[in-house]
Amino acid sequence: DAKTTQPTSMDCAEGRAANLPCNHSTISGNEYVYWYRQIHSQGPQYIIHGLKNNETNEMASLIITEDRKSSTLILPHATLRDTAVYYCIAASQGGSEKLVFGKGTKLTVNP
Amino acid sequence: EPEVTQTPSHQVTQMGQEVILRCVPISNHLYFYWYRQILGQKVEFLVSFYNNEISEKSEIFDDQFSVERPDGSNFTLKIRSTKLEDSAMYFCASSEQGNRETQYFGPGTRLLVL
Repeated sequence: DAKTTQPTSMDCAEGRAANLPCNHSTISGNEYVYWYRQIHSQGPQYIIHGLKNNETNEMASLIITEDRKSSTLILPHATLRDTAVYYCIAASQGGSEKLVFGKGTKLTVNP
Repeated sequence: EPEVTQTPSHQVTQMGQEVILRCVPISNHLYFYWYRQILGQKVEFLVSFYNNEISEKSEIFDDQFSVERPDGSNFTLKIRSTKLEDSAMYFCASSEQGNRETQYFGPGTRLLVL
C-alpha cells in the first residue's frame, strides 16, 4: 500500500470549513484513498473513500487531484465534536484488507 | 444504526494470565478484525478473519494470540499468557463483503497487564 503523508496538526474555528490535506504520491492505479478519524480513546470511525472522482457524503467531502497524488478531506462546517485525529489511508480493494494507520492529523476545532 | 460492540470496556489482569476479549460484529458483516493501540502510539493491525479462519495476521499476532468465532454472533481474541507489553486498547472491527476496507470499529477494550 502507498505511503501517505499528513500534517501533524491543524486548527480550525468552529463553523468554518476544515480542509485536511494528504499526500500519496506513490499511490497505484487500483488504490483507493480512505479517511478515518479517531476521537479521543474511541475506535476509529470510517468517514469516506474515493478512487479518482470527488466524493461527498453526510460527513465530509473528498477532493482528489487529477494526478491522484494528493487529496483533501473537507469538513464543511466543523464543530467541536470534530476534534479528532484524522487518518488518510491508501488501500487497494480486493488486496490486503488490513488498514495501515499512520500518525494522522490532529485536528482541533476551537470555539 | 448497527454498531460493533465490545466487552469488557476495561480489563485488568496479572502478567501470565489468560484474557479473552469479546466482540459482537455488525450482523451481516462477514469479515472481522482485531487491532490494538498502545497508549500514544499508532493503531496496529493484528488479524483478520473470514469464513472461520484467519485470512491475514501481523507479526504481532504470535502464538500467544488466537481468535475464534464460537457462535454466530461473537468474535473473540484470546491472549494466553499476557505480558506487560500487551497493555493497550484492543479494537474489534467488521466489514461487509465487497467493501472490506470500509471497516466499522467497536469502542475498544482497555487492557492493563500488571
